[in-house]
Amino acid sequence: AQKVTQAQTEISVVEKEDVTLDCVYETRDTTYYLFWYKQPPSGELVFLIRRNSFDEQNEISGRYSWNFQKSTSSFNFTITASQVVDSAVYFCSQGAQKLVFGQGTRLTINP
Amino acid sequence: DTGVSQDPRHKITKRGQNVTFRCDPISEHNRLYWYRQTLGQGPEFLTYFQNEAQLEKSRLLSDRFSAERPKGSFSTLEIQRTEQGDSAMYLCASSLGLSGNPDKEQFFGPGTRLTVL
Repeated sequence: AQKVTQAQTEISVVEKEDVTLDCVYETRDTTYYLFWYKQPPSGELVFLIRRNSFDEQNEISGRYSWNFQKSTSSFNFTITASQVVDSAVYFCSQGAQKLVFGQGTRLTINP
Repeated sequence: DTGVSQDPRHKITKRGQNVTFRCDPISEHNRLYWYRQTLGQGPEFLTYFQNEAQLEKSRLLSDRFSAERPKGSFSTLEIQRTEQGDSAMYLCASSLGLSGNPDKEQFFGPGTRLTVL
């Protein structure tokens, strides 16, 4: 069965600090897909990134970067120079159609 | 706005009553998903449709839950004889996927928050 673990329940940092959100996944599939979603206080889940299992290249998008390591079954997310607007709950998930989500990490960026 | 919409946004009901939620996906999206999210947890998959066919149902979906997508466009989720444990946020998502192929991304609606008293 698929499983996603986000061990950090809550993280609080001061603005401009870098912060990394951890994600560990379990699957028996050889081909699989990993995602990160953001859920701001408004409640609507916002897609951030999709990564497939045969592409281990790290990705950077502005202040966001993702580190995918199959050897450790991890797909970590780093925000560089955090801003107050980054405050949200972040979910890691996996799936081809139906998604299995982790429990989420509540990130608070303090001014 | 052409995003996923859900109605109502909030529903308060008494235990034992039936409730129905509606989801309008992004037009031309052929896949539609229902998830349930309780406080402090990630969304849990309930069921999904490809066009009008219901392709998968979670074991979480008891006999009191039923979902339809009659014309392959909007979908409804009905809960009969509600229980306090049904209190949650019900999320709908849609995507455009070729048959048998994975989704690139799912677009989520704002959710319907259900409170059962």
